[in-house]
Amino acid sequence: QKEVEQDPGPLSVPEGAIVSLNCTYSNSAFQYFMWYRQYSRKGPELLMYTYSSGNKEDGRFTAQVDKSSKYISLFIRDSQPSDSATYLCAMSEGGKLIFGQGTELSVKP
Amino acid sequence: DVKVTQSSRYLVKRTGEKVFLECVQDMDHENMFWYRQDPGLGLRLIYFSYDVKMKEKGDIPEGYSVSREKKERFSLILESASTNQTSMYLCASTRQGFRGQPQHFGDGTRLSIL
Repeated sequence: QKEVEQDPGPLSVPEGAIVSLNCTYSNSAFQYFMWYRQYSRKGPELLMYTYSSGNKEDGRFTAQVDKSSKYISLFIRDSQPSDSATYLCAMSEGGKLIFGQGTELSVKP
Repeated sequence: DVKVTQSSRYLVKRTGEKVFLECVQDMDHENMFWYRQDPGLGLRLIYFSYDVKMKEKGDIPEGYSVSREKKERFSLILESASTNQTSMYLCASTRQGFRGQPQHFGDGTRLSIL
């Protein structure tokens, strides 16, 4: 079993939809949770960073961490074609980052 | 903004060649990392370095070595390239402290070994 599981998709939604991206993990020691966005032929860029449990909101993006269920989510409201990218979750207990496989998202106009 | 620059975007080499991938960061970060990214496998850590001349093996170091002679530069070396090393290679850096620090990535080098 992988330490971090992420559905690779692809996920296709119409413009304006609410998108939910998720990761599950097995290591209860993880405390730092991140979401990266990776456009085609580019490197990952940090989108959201959360420490421990709870929610964090930044514009149209909301990150949620539920440590009791070992489950993290990224919500995108009013999705735009420019949100089309691969989204990678990553987490750490303070050492190296462990990444999910990435979910490929396509937002259709 | 942190800038991590990888010297080549695309590289084509032949099996058995010695291949050098270069990475430079401009934010005086202590920690630097090399990953490879493959479809279905995500990012896998090859090597990392937390100081000049220091290196640590990651999850898949076989067939690779690294060099860190200067703080801003971290090189990945494929000693004798093989076709199974065809991949996207990503360099990242982060400041000292390491605990949960988000990493900043370059745009990657897509390496093909023929």
